[in-house]
Amino acid sequence: EPEVTQTPSHQVTQMGQEVILRCVPISNHLYFYWYRQILGQKVEFLVSFYNNEISEKSEIFDDQFSVERPDGSNFTLKIRSTKLEDSAMYFCASKRGSEAFFGQGTRLTVV
Amino acid sequence: AQSVTQLGSHVSVSEGALVLLRCNYSSSVPPYLFWYVQYPNQGLQLLLKYTSAATLVKGINGFEAEFKKSETSFHLTKPSAHMSDAAEYFCAVSESGNTPLVFGKGTRLSVIA
Repeated sequence: EPEVTQTPSHQVTQMGQEVILRCVPISNHLYFYWYRQILGQKVEFLVSFYNNEISEKSEIFDDQFSVERPDGSNFTLKIRSTKLEDSAMYFCASKRGSEAFFGQGTRLTVV
Repeated sequence: AQSVTQLGSHVSVSEGALVLLRCNYSSSVPPYLFWYVQYPNQGLQLLLKYTSAATLVKGINGFEAEFKKSETSFHLTKPSAHMSDAAEYFCAVSESGNTPLVFGKGTRLSVIA
């Protein structure tokens, strides 16, 4: 069964460093998303991507964040200068119809 | 703006007992509604979805949910809890098939032997 894959599963980074979280969506899906879940809190929407551009973003998705689909298969989330409060589980999702398929997540720890 | 309220951050039931996880939503347009389950250290898995067809929706693992417009609710039920049902359950709403999901805070289900 097709699935969304995310790498790495866990990333530890120092405050101020750049991180890139990677996702491979399901191949025939058209819409791509990043969500995050801070420990003990709800899952929050960050950004959606369609037709090679951002279609919607939340207030969380400020200038420190960017997304790319560099090669038609990968979908990346870059945090330019990480802060302690960026520590969270980051989920990638993709969909074609109404159902979003989520990856296993990348746990980002900023120290 | 849409929102989801899940009553009860933690629900505990005995094995074999009825599971009822509550979800109320707010939406200015007819909503799409979803229940996702998250097992420890795993991603989100879709349990079931309501997309304006039948109001009683059956999902995987014996779960079902009923869309009640008059009560703005989409409660999740399962007649008989199993130990393997212990997980975090998230209710989510979206305006259409392609708009982002808005999640509730989640309900942790514990099943006692």
